Amino acid sequence: EADIYQTPRYLVIGTGKKITLECSQTMGHDKMYWYQQDPGMELHLIHYSYGVNSTEKGDLSSESTVSRIRTEHFPLTLESARPSHTSQYLCASSSSEGGRTEQFFGPGTRLTVL
Amino acid sequence: GNSVTQMEGPVTLSEEAFLTINCTYTATGYPSLFWYVQYPGEGLQLLLKATKADDKGSNKGFEATYRKETTSFHLEKGSVQVSDSAVYFCALDPNFGNEKLTFGTGTRLTIIP
Repeated sequence: EADIYQTPRYLVIGTGKKITLECSQTMGHDKMYWYQQDPGMELHLIHYSYGVNSTEKGDLSSESTVSRIRTEHFPLTLESARPSHTSQYLCASSSSEGGRTEQFFGPGTRLTVL
Repeated sequence: GNSVTQMEGPVTLSEEAFLTINCTYTATGYPSLFWYVQYPGEGLQLLLKATKADDKGSNKGFEATYRKETTSFHLEKGSVQVSDSAVYFCALDPNFGNEKLTFGTGTRLTIIP
C-alpha cells in the first residue's frame, strides 16, 4: 500500500545529542516537505525538496538539515538538539504530475529535548 | 503574496449541531483550495478540495464551495459527531510554478455529546 512513514513517532532526548528523523514514502512522489508544528497547531515549512539532490530551506529558519539522496527518503537531522527544538515534526510529499497538487502527510514525530 | 485567513478557534459544539469554519484567501491567478483535518496524535489528512471557481468539494458529510467573488472556501457540515473533533486547516495551492502550499493557522473543533 502506498503510504508515507515517519520514525520514530516519539523521541525524548537530552540536550546536545545528534538526532535524525526518518521519512519515507512509497507513492513515487517527487516533492517532499518537512513542517514544524508548534503547540498552537500552526504549521511552519522548514525544508522542501523537488527531487533527488535538491533541497531548499522553507519559510521558517531551522537549525536542522536535510538530504535527498533517494526519491523515497527525506531524513531530517539535528546536529545538536536543544530544548527549543521540542516540537512536532511532520513530513509530507506530493506529485508534480497529473495536476494533483495535494500533499500527503506522515503521522509525525513528536520530539522532546530535555 | 498568498495568504489564508481562518476562523479563530477553538470551536465547541454539541453533537448534531451545524458547523461552519470560515476560510478566506488572498492569491493571484487561479489557486486550488483544500481542507485538511488532523485527528489527535496524527498527521494531516486531505478532507476535500476544489480546483476552480464554483466547484464544491465534499467528503464525509463535509462540504466547501470555492467562491472566487468573495475569495472564500468555508467548511460546513450539517450535523457534527463526536468523531469530528479534530483540528481543521484551510490551504491554498497557487498553481503557479513551484510555489508551495499556504496553510491557515488551524481551527480546533471539539464536539460534546
